Amino acid sequence: EVQLVESGGGLVQPGGSLRLSCAASGFTFSDHYMDWVRQAPGKGLEWVARIRNKGQRYTTEYAASVKGRFSISRDDSKNSLDLQMNSLKTEDTAVYFCARGHYNSGWRDLDYWGQGTLVTISS
Amino acid sequence: DIQLTQSPSFLSASVGDRVTITCRASQGISSYLAWYQQKPGKAPKLLIYAASTLQSGVPSRFSGSGSGTEFTLTISSLQPEDFATYYCQQLNTYPVTFGGGTKVEIK
Repeated sequence: EVQLVESGGGLVQPGGSLRLSCAASGFTFSDHYMDWVRQAPGKGLEWVARIRNKGQRYTTEYAASVKGRFSISRDDSKNSLDLQMNSLKTEDTAVYFCARGHYNSGWRDLDYWGQGTLVTISS
Repeated sequence: DIQLTQSPSFLSASVGDRVTITCRASQGISSYLAWYQQKPGKAPKLLIYAASTLQSGVPSRFSGSGSGTEFTLTISSLQPEDFATYYCQQLNTYPVTFGGGTKVEIK
């Protein structure tokens, strides 16, 4: 069974940093592209970042709203995905979901999602 | 960025109704569109990918169609467990974008 479990959320002051992690199991993690998607309270979904697999040299993509502040990384030996978030703003407050890229669609959507971890940015 | 506009944003329907949700893209995205269902407090669930391909395990009352800039998600006979918010998503070009969502509520 595919499982994605996020951790690391919490309350941080504006300008602070936080590192989220996602533990993956039940599939060959190293084969898949992996993404972070967020959802502000009561709002819709917003894609944050993607990291490709080793075959694609672990290249990354970011939403404009987080580029230069957030960094996505992975450790295939630990089946782990991370999101380092720096210079946090109040508008980064959201539930952050870890999601698996969908191989069958050519990586164009996300077929499994974690339950999310809440990040709150407030003074 | 490619904008996705869903309509309606809110829909009130009864069990057994046929429901159609539309997603319009600001530019052509071929068939690179997916649909998700999200229930309160839960993660999104992939329903349809490549505009019309049903994800494994998803009931056949869900169907998708369209290409280019206009897409639809249809639920042929609404069931109690289908009351949720539905999102479309594109990855024809980065950044990945989502529609604003359509909340389907019980009439």
